[in-house]
Amino acid sequence: GIQVEQSPPDLILQEGANSTLRCNFSDSVNNLQWFHQNPWGQLINLFYIPSGTKQNGRLSATTVATERYSLLYISSSQTTDSGVYFCAVEARDYKLSFGAGTTVTVRA
Amino acid sequence: NAGVTQTPKFQVLKTGQSMTLQCAQDMNHEYMSWYRQDPGMGLRLIHYSVGAGITDQGEVPNGYNVSRSTTEDFPLRLLSAAPSQTSVYFCASSLGLQGDTEAFFGQGTRLTVV
Repeated sequence: GIQVEQSPPDLILQEGANSTLRCNFSDSVNNLQWFHQNPWGQLINLFYIPSGTKQNGRLSATTVATERYSLLYISSSQTTDSGVYFCAVEARDYKLSFGAGTTVTVRA
Repeated sequence: NAGVTQTPKFQVLKTGQSMTLQCAQDMNHEYMSWYRQDPGMGLRLIHYSVGAGITDQGEVPNGYNVSRSTTEDFPLRLLSAAPSQTSVYFCASSLGLQGDTEAFFGQGTRLTVV
């Protein structure tokens, strides 16, 4: 199956800082999603982004499908951004494969 | 429009017991799936369904059964619970082959097998 690697595994930020999370994948994919898992365990959809760039408030994402990577940008981080960020890619059989996640801690 | 609803939210089982985790969606999605999440890992696919009456195995299917008698419901059955099945279980749905394949997840079921 497709291998999905996320980096860094852990990230500690001071409130107000910017950061970039990366997702690399090993094969061509139909689609890619970014999720935020909050401290209560809920998975929240951030972006559905097979290619190109999207922005939603302080978050933005870019996927370069031909080079098999995606980036998630967090600007002006807030404590509510803490949690685990997952990248998931959809193979040609429509199954989602997840990376191991990036744990983000934002300190006040 | 409730989205994807999972019940129960928490469950403790004794080794060898059986139980069913419920999942329902009201978005008329064709594609439904079950994942498990273990500490420090991403989600792993257990079983999935591309429509009513059609199911298939994912990455970690052993010890689990599924059925899809309606578009809305996709229950996951643990046949004889084992401590290795202690995990958080998520159900997901998407339009699937109809078009937009963005996946939406339920709130999860935290299962402990003692």
